[in-house]
Amino acid sequence: AQTVTQSQPEMSVQEAETVTLSCTYDTSESNYYLFWYKQPPSRQMILVIRQEAYKQQNATENRFSVNFQKAAKSFSLKISDSQLGDTAMYFCAFRVTNTDKLIFGTGTRLQVFP
Amino acid sequence: GAVVSQHPSWVICKSGTSVKIECRSLDFQATTMFWYRQFPKQSLMLMATSNEGSKATYEQGVEKDKFLINHASLTLSTLTVTSAHPEDSSFYICSARDHASGGNEQYFGPGTRLTVT
Repeated sequence: AQTVTQSQPEMSVQEAETVTLSCTYDTSESNYYLFWYKQPPSRQMILVIRQEAYKQQNATENRFSVNFQKAAKSFSLKISDSQLGDTAMYFCAFRVTNTDKLIFGTGTRLQVFP
Repeated sequence: GAVVSQHPSWVICKSGTSVKIECRSLDFQATTMFWYRQFPKQSLMLMATSNEGSKATYEQGVEKDKFLINHASLTLSTLTVTSAHPEDSSFYICSARDHASGGNEQYFGPGTRLTVT
């Protein structure tokens, strides 16, 4: 069975600084996708970034980047130049290729302070 | 981009009554939609996978007779909470995959807050 673990229930960062959110996962599959979702106070889930396991290059989306370590089964999210609007719950998620089921971690609540 | 809507955004119902929540893909066709439940300050838990034109697939521990799912068209899935009780109060979120585009993301609706009194 696949599991996703987020060991940081809460994190805080000052505006304009950089913060890294941790995520580890466990699977025996070799082909899968990893995601980071953001859930702001509005509760709308927003996809932040996606990584295909077969790609060695780390995904980046503007201020968001990941550090994907496949052997270590680690998938951390780095947010650079943090903004107040980044305040939200962040969920790491996993999906085996050619399946539909998304497995979510328990989430990290990020607070960005001015 | 792909947009998923839910209706209603919040609902209050009395114990013993049933309530229906709609999930619509607005600008794409979704052969598969998903229903999640989220308790306060917790993660999303998949309840069931809704397949257009066939029966839903429920996750272990989810009562199919209590949470009725219908996916009658390529853009609409409904979740009916039957004989609701206070413990059914929660935030329900749907999502959909845009299979036609070969997309690998699930697009989420804004959620429905259900309060059973």
